[in-house]
Amino acid sequence: ETGVTQTPRHLVMGMTNKKSLKCEQHLGHNAMYWYKQSAKKPLELMFVYSLEERVENNSVPSRFSPECPNSSHLFLHLHTLQPEDSALYLCASSQDHGGAQHFGDGTRLSIL
Amino acid sequence: GENVEQHPSTLSVQEGDSAVIKCTYSDSASNYFPWYKQELGKRPQLIIDIRSNVGEKKDQRIAVTLNKTAKHFSLHITETQPEDSAVYFCAAKVDTGRRALTFGSGTRLQVQP
Repeated sequence: ETGVTQTPRHLVMGMTNKKSLKCEQHLGHNAMYWYKQSAKKPLELMFVYSLEERVENNSVPSRFSPECPNSSHLFLHLHTLQPEDSALYLCASSQDHGGAQHFGDGTRLSIL
Repeated sequence: GENVEQHPSTLSVQEGDSAVIKCTYSDSASNYFPWYKQELGKRPQLIIDIRSNVGEKKDQRIAVTLNKTAKHFSLHITETQPEDSAVYFCAAKVDTGRRALTFGSGTRLQVQP
């Protein structure tokens, strides 16, 4: 019943692969977020987009590259990842950064 | 920037007892404080939120209190049930401009039947 859909749900990739995570929101929101969730840091903000413009980048390594082509879609392009990048990647959206963020179900990423 | 600390990291209660989770924040300008519940293998879901113009808010068995002077807020769950078992996250933000939520580190609540 979520208004935020993430694909794929699970992804296994080698360190030299290139893959992309996709997020789509059907809530009419204008802000979207990427979070990394791991045992070490439960909810770590990676990127914030508002009206398709990146407004926050929390010192994320360049092997993670976000893309926001419109207010409904958000991608996270992955390249040359490390084993420590294995985690659950959560997408969220909100309206005008105000109030509640709605999360997707996440992509469980495993780096071999 | 904002820093949110959450305690305890784990909490075990007997079914029917109350549970309290506490958070402190550092930015006195923060004025929006949501709580999320994340069940195992599922996404975080908003369960209750409070803004700084009120001191307490209730929704059935769940309540949140806010002390702006002390910069802390708490989640109270009464008459706990096994289905309340989950990880709970508090968060804080300044509800204007382009800022994202800052989350606490989470509390794993286990309700023993």
